[in-house]
Amino acid sequence: VQLGESGGGLVQPGRSLRLSCEASGFNFDYYWMHWVRQAPGKGLEWVSRINIDGSSTDYADSVKGRFTISRDNAKNTLFLQMSALRAEDTAVYYCTRSPTTATIFDQWGLGTLVTVSS
Amino acid sequence: DIQMTQSPSTLSASVGDRVTITCRASQSISKWLAWYQQKPGTAPKLLIYQASSLQRGAPSRFSASGSETEFTLTISSLQPDDFATYYCQQYHSYPLTFGGGSKVEIK
Repeated sequence: VQLGESGGGLVQPGRSLRLSCEASGFNFDYYWMHWVRQAPGKGLEWVSRINIDGSSTDYADSVKGRFTISRDNAKNTLFLQMSALRAEDTAVYYCTRSPTTATIFDQWGLGTLVTVSS
Repeated sequence: DIQMTQSPSTLSASVGDRVTITCRASQSISKWLAWYQQKPGTAPKLLIYQASSLQRGAPSRFSASGSETEFTLTISSLQPDDFATYYCQQYHSYPLTFGGGSKVEIK
């Protein structure tokens, strides 16, 4: 089982960035997928989730209206489109999966760092 | 939103010690609680789900209990590999929320 994030980097406030997470080693379309982030030296914050077929999504209030989660089951890939980025969005973003029976994060990617700074 | 409060935030202990970490929820979450271990520079790892069920592959020295609003994670005999930060997470309702973390340091 592997989850591999990409797309992080340095971006100016107000700009956009798109994160990707490529999944392998399991049936991607059997699992709900999530993004969880961790600001430098801080704790974990759940960001967003998407159901199996992408028909249902949820967001933390801190990113609602600015971030969009999506998935491409044919390519085993999860996305996070981030817009209107703020300094407080600076964090390592982890791609995680949860079984449909419980919203627990049983596999995590290595994470990708997003730094929002001018 | 359900607030999760962990204590202590930092704990100093020695190899072989029995260690207990507490997690409190701001409202009842039944048994919808998970525990994660995170080492510096790495992703968290699931240890416990449904308040007391050990994740496959997690060492048996980890145990957990609790329900409603009070939960505990216990390490029966602390090993060198256990020095890390531990987080609880509720999955009773969205938004999913984590505790602030409990760092277990070497005494």
